[in-house]
Amino acid sequence: AQTVTQSQPEMSVQEAETVTLSCTYDTSESNYYLFWYKQPPSRQMILVIRQEAYKQQNATENRFSVNFQKAAKSFSLKISDSQLGDTAMYFCAFRSGGGADGLTFGKGTHLIIQP
Amino acid sequence: ETGVTQTPRHLVMGMTNKKSLKCEQHLGHNAMYWYKQSAKKPLELMFVYNFKEQTENNSVPSRFSPECPNSSHLFLHLHTLQPEDSALYLCASSRPGTGQDTEAFFGQGTRLTVV
Repeated sequence: AQTVTQSQPEMSVQEAETVTLSCTYDTSESNYYLFWYKQPPSRQMILVIRQEAYKQQNATENRFSVNFQKAAKSFSLKISDSQLGDTAMYFCAFRSGGGADGLTFGKGTHLIIQP
Repeated sequence: ETGVTQTPRHLVMGMTNKKSLKCEQHLGHNAMYWYKQSAKKPLELMFVYNFKEQTENNSVPSRFSPECPNSSHLFLHLHTLQPEDSALYLCASSRPGTGQDTEAFFGQGTRLTVV
């Protein structure tokens, strides 16, 4: 079974700063996907970024980027030029490579962007 | 809006009641999922349906009964629930398989309170 660990229950930064959220995972599989989801107070779970394990290049989506270290089983999320709207719970999630497997989530990090 | 709609948004029910949660997606996905989100716990995968067939049941008590009549609709039938079942229930859908565009899209959830 896979496990996902997020060791930062809460983080707070000033607007426009850069923040990095950490995530580690454990799996014996070689083919899998990793995701960061954002859950604002509305509770809508929104995909932020995804990474295929077979790709060495780190994924980037505008102000969001990841540092994927496959050997270390680490998958951190970097948010640049943080905005007030980035305030939310952030969940790291793992999915096996085949079929319609569900997601295994970490406990989440509550990110607060201060004005 | 992610294209996944859940109803109702809020539900209060007694322990002897029977109610149903509904999830609908028009994204052309063939995999659908139920997750439970409780306070201070990671999201828990409950059930997975792939092309209307249940492919995963994560040891969920029988008082939760899923139904998937077609690839666009998913129900969660509830009966004789316990107060500890109070949680946010999230539905998701995805395109099964590997590669691009297989990430899960979530509904806004049903906040369930058992009294």
